[in-house]
This record gives sequence, structure tokens and C-alpha cells, in this order.
Amino acid sequence: AQSVTQLGSHVSVSEGALVLLRCNYSSSVPPYLFWYVQYPNQGLQLLLKYTSAATLVKGINGFEAEFKKSETSFHLTKPSAHMSDAAEYFCAVFQNSGNTPLVFGKGTRLSVIA
Amino acid sequence: NAGVMQNPRHLVRRRGQEARLRCSPMKGHSHVYWYRQLPEEGLKFMVYLQKENIIDESGMPKERFSAEFPKEGPSILRIQQVVRGDSAAYFCASSPGRGAGANVLTFGAGSRLTVL
Repeated sequence: AQSVTQLGSHVSVSEGALVLLRCNYSSSVPPYLFWYVQYPNQGLQLLLKYTSAATLVKGINGFEAEFKKSETSFHLTKPSAHMSDAAEYFCAVFQNSGNTPLVFGKGTRLSVIA
Repeated sequence: NAGVMQNPRHLVRRRGQEARLRCSPMKGHSHVYWYRQLPEEGLKFMVYLQKENIIDESGMPKERFSAEFPKEGPSILRIQQVVRGDSAAYFCASSPGRGAGANVLTFGAGSRLTVL
């Protein structure tokens, strides 16, 4: 069964600093990987997805993530944090076989300090 | 093109009452998923449905919870005899089920259930 682990439930960065949110996955078959963002009292919005094409995936709002099979990782990065990036970020894995649902990590809350 | 619509956005129930949460998927989407989010936790999968069929209900509690997605109308998540531990945000998501976006879920804004 697939799973994801997000290291760090809370990450705090200064405005303009690099954002790095970590995600490691476990999957018995080549996975599809996703990052979603959740703003307070809202639903989840898709940031980006990896579906076995390019290993470096660019998403919305300047975020990107790199799929590293050797490290079973899919870390999310953004070169320069903005105050509006403060939100909860979820990594998720989808196993491309059968009808298994999307499995989420526990989330990482990003705080941006002015 | 409206997204995934969930209602009510907020629902307050007393212990022992029933809660019904509704979800209308995006136009053209035939697959619906329900997730539950508890404070400080991620999203836990509950159930996956297609029209008139439950595909995977491995995340549903064995008692008091049920879900349906009828041929006509929204998907409904029903919680009978609610208890305080049912207080959570319930999110619905939909996907087309096939094609390039088959595994991309679009989420609704959620229904927040509070049990007094």
C-alpha cells in the first residue's frame, strides 16, 4: 500500500527566503504524486502533480517539486516566500493501479514571517 | 463552470441526531470521494463512489456512516446518531475517472460538522 510522510508539521520562513517542504513516499508501483495547498477554512487546491513525465514539475504560484526515485522523495520548493504562501500543504500519492484512492500526508503548516 | 459544491458549509448537531452532507461534483465528473479532516491531522479517506456504485469504502466507520451517489442528484454522506468525535471537516472531491485528468481530484470547500 502506498503512503506519504511529510517531515515537519510546521515550517516557518522569512519573507523572501527559500521554502522547502519535505515529502517522502512509499509505493510498490510507480506512483503519481501531488501537492495540494489549503488556505484557512477552504478546500484543497492542486499545486502540482507528477505523473511519470518530467521529474521536475512546475506548479502554480512559483512552486515546483522534483521527483527523486532513488530517494523516494517529492519535496516542494519555492525560491522566495511570500506572505500569501502561508497555508497548509499536503503531499499525496496515487497508486496507478486498481481503484486505490489518493492518500495524503498529515500536512505541513507554512508560516511566513515579515 | 462551477467547481465541486458542498452544502451545508457548516452544520451543528446535538448528540444522537443525524447529519447529512451533500456534494455535487464538477460537471463531467463521475467519480466522487469523501475525506474527513480532524484538527492537526491530514485528510483521511472515507469512501469512493461512482454513480450508483460504491467502489471503495475501506475508510468508512463500520457503523452509523453511509454514503450514496444516486443516478440523479448529489452524493450524500450520512452520519446517524452523531457523537462528539464526529466533529470534523468533511471534504468531497471529484474526478473525471478517465482520460488525462483521471486521477486529479478537485476538492470542494468542505462541510464543517460540530456536534454539541
